[in-house]
Amino acid sequence: AQTIHQWPVAEIKAVGSPLSLGCTIKGKSSPNLYWYWQATGGTLQQLFYSITVGQVESVVQLNLSASRPKDDQFILSTEKLLLSHSGFYLCAWIDSSQNTLYFGAGTRLSVL
Amino acid sequence: TQTVSQSDAHVTVFEGDSVELRCNYSYGGSIYLSWYIQHHGHGLQFLLKYYSGNPVVQGVNGFEAEFSKSDSSFHLRKASVHWSDSAVYFCAVRPSSGQKLVFGQGTILKVYL
Repeated sequence: AQTIHQWPVAEIKAVGSPLSLGCTIKGKSSPNLYWYWQATGGTLQQLFYSITVGQVESVVQLNLSASRPKDDQFILSTEKLLLSHSGFYLCAWIDSSQNTLYFGAGTRLSVL
Repeated sequence: TQTVSQSDAHVTVFEGDSVELRCNYSYGGSIYLSWYIQHHGHGLQFLLKYYSGNPVVQGVNGFEAEFSKSDSSFHLRKASVHWSDSAVYFCAVRPSSGQKLVFGQGTILKVYL
């Protein structure tokens, strides 16, 4: 069975500080991976997707970047956090045969 | 560009009631439609999806949804809700040839005992 793990569970960071969020998928080779951002009480905004190692496509510009250093790993980062980065970050992979997204538990980010 | 609209921000019902959560979309091509549930502070969980065939699809926990091409809708229904169904429900659309999944604004369902 496939599992998706996000880390950390929560972060409290200062404006201007760097950030790195991670996501690991186990049990699925070459998954399509996605990063989503959710403002408190809001909908989900797709940030990035990656079809293969080393390739990441940006969907929306939020002064964030993403990388896929390994087949099973997806990293979201920035060098300087903004207040507007606060929210809930979700990683997901898609089972293309079923057209179903499977989400991680998310990382709650508070930027102060 | 595809858009998804969930017209009800909040829906409140009592346990045992039936409920319908509405979803309307705008897209000209072939799409996948799906519903997800999010309990407070957690990630999303898949409920059901539609691509083609029977317009009424069954999902987990007694949920079903009906696709209507003429109305551009994909409403979610449950005949008898349980208090544990209280959550936020998201409708989502993805073009069959694309990677971008667009979510609606979400509907908060509250089920009272």
